[in-house]
Amino acid sequence: EAQVTQNPRYLITVTGKKLTVTCSQNMNHEYMSWYRQDPGLGLRQIYYSMNVEVTDKGDVPEGYKVSRKEKRNFPLILESPSPNQTSLYFCASSSVFTGGEDYGYTFGSGTRLTVV
Amino acid sequence: TQLLEQSPQFLSIQEGENLTVYCNSSSVFSSLQWYRQEPGEGPVLLVTVVTGGEVKKLKRLTFQFGDARKDSSLHITAAQPGDTGLYLCAGVDNDYKLSFGAGTTVTVRA
Repeated sequence: EAQVTQNPRYLITVTGKKLTVTCSQNMNHEYMSWYRQDPGLGLRQIYYSMNVEVTDKGDVPEGYKVSRKEKRNFPLILESPSPNQTSLYFCASSSVFTGGEDYGYTFGSGTRLTVV
Repeated sequence: TQLLEQSPQFLSIQEGENLTVYCNSSSVFSSLQWYRQEPGEGPVLLVTVVTGGEVKKLKRLTFQFGDARKDSSLHITAAQPGDTGLYLCAGVDNDYKLSFGAGTTVTVRA
């Protein structure tokens, strides 16, 4: 089954304790992205990657790191989490847009992170 | 400030009624997508519209892309409780970046 897998689904951590949220896709997609979703603000892009070893900042990158060493994996790293990073996080992937009407993102099921 | 403005923010209707959700922007997009998100899950793609003026139908859902490719609407005919969810529009720019609206929460009462 084509899917994006995120782990963990739920995470409670303390301020300053480094954590990694993993994301893996099995569709051989070039493009991967991380979003955070907050009430009233919708989905905001944190980082994205156009391909292996190519990453770039999205709209809200502060406090986050990513890496893309393999095509299928795109982990999100919080070096020193703070309470304002409490949010619902989604990883997404897609093929490169070629103008087709079947273009779209596949999202993971989300990671609910609480930083206390 | 959201690049894409969705309205209304909340919509509660009775089963069998029709509804329309709007998505507006001052930016031009190469394509526009609609997603539905259910509680505890990620957004799921409903449709991608590419051509200005395009109308797409997906059973009881009708999607329209504005002529200038800056706005879109989603119309649901004879809504059912299974249509309940958060509806998100997203514009795709030339760098494949998706910009999302804040979403419209639709509740269909049985």
